[in-house]
Amino acid sequence: DTGVSQDPRHKITKRGQNVTFRCDPISEHNRLYWYRQTLGQGPEFLTYFQNEAQLEKSRLLSDRFSAERPKGSFSTLEIQRTEQGDSAMYLCASSFGQARTEAFFGQGTRLTVV
Amino acid sequence: RKEVEQDPGPFNVPEGATVAFNCTYSNSASQSFFWYRQDCRKEPKLLMSVYSSGNEDGRFTAQLNRASQYISLLIRDSKLSDSATYLCVVNTLKAAGNKLTFGGGTRVLVKP
Repeated sequence: DTGVSQDPRHKITKRGQNVTFRCDPISEHNRLYWYRQTLGQGPEFLTYFQNEAQLEKSRLLSDRFSAERPKGSFSTLEIQRTEQGDSAMYLCASSFGQARTEAFFGQGTRLTVV
Repeated sequence: RKEVEQDPGPFNVPEGATVAFNCTYSNSASQSFFWYRQDCRKEPKLLMSVYSSGNEDGRFTAQLNRASQYISLLIRDSKLSDSATYLCVVNTLKAAGNKLTFGGGTRVLVKP
């Protein structure tokens, strides 16, 4: 399978715990995006990378959220001290990063904070 | 004002009918546009890219109006399987590079 893969698919955690998600993009893609989606809403931008450089982080994100793409390949998204409001689907997408290139999504990680 | 806005719907459509809906964007520097389809609890999947004056793919037609800053999607001869949420995506050149921004989605329900 050469598509975008995310791990885990589902995560249930207790409030206050830290969680980390992984995304493996399509290998030749240099752009990687993270989005968050809650029921009935469109995907909300979190952050994106060009290779290993983080280009932008949403101002909606608190300092509890951090993302890395250390070698310009896979990426991790960490949420520290999770809160119930963090419960959502976390989507990763990758693209060539050029003006007219669509992004391809992974199947997402569904986080439930109890 | 949101960068990309869509009518959330739902649009209730009889099977075989035509449905159309729009997406407006606020940034005139937006360079390219896409429609994605998202089924319940699934990831978004590309439906169509929308370049220049628009394009057609089978029963689906996408149009771009740069002057009024909106794109549209028209579905002809609706099938039950067209029931989904349709997401408008805008690719905008920012200082940090191209960025994809999503609308909130338009929900379409095709009924027999």
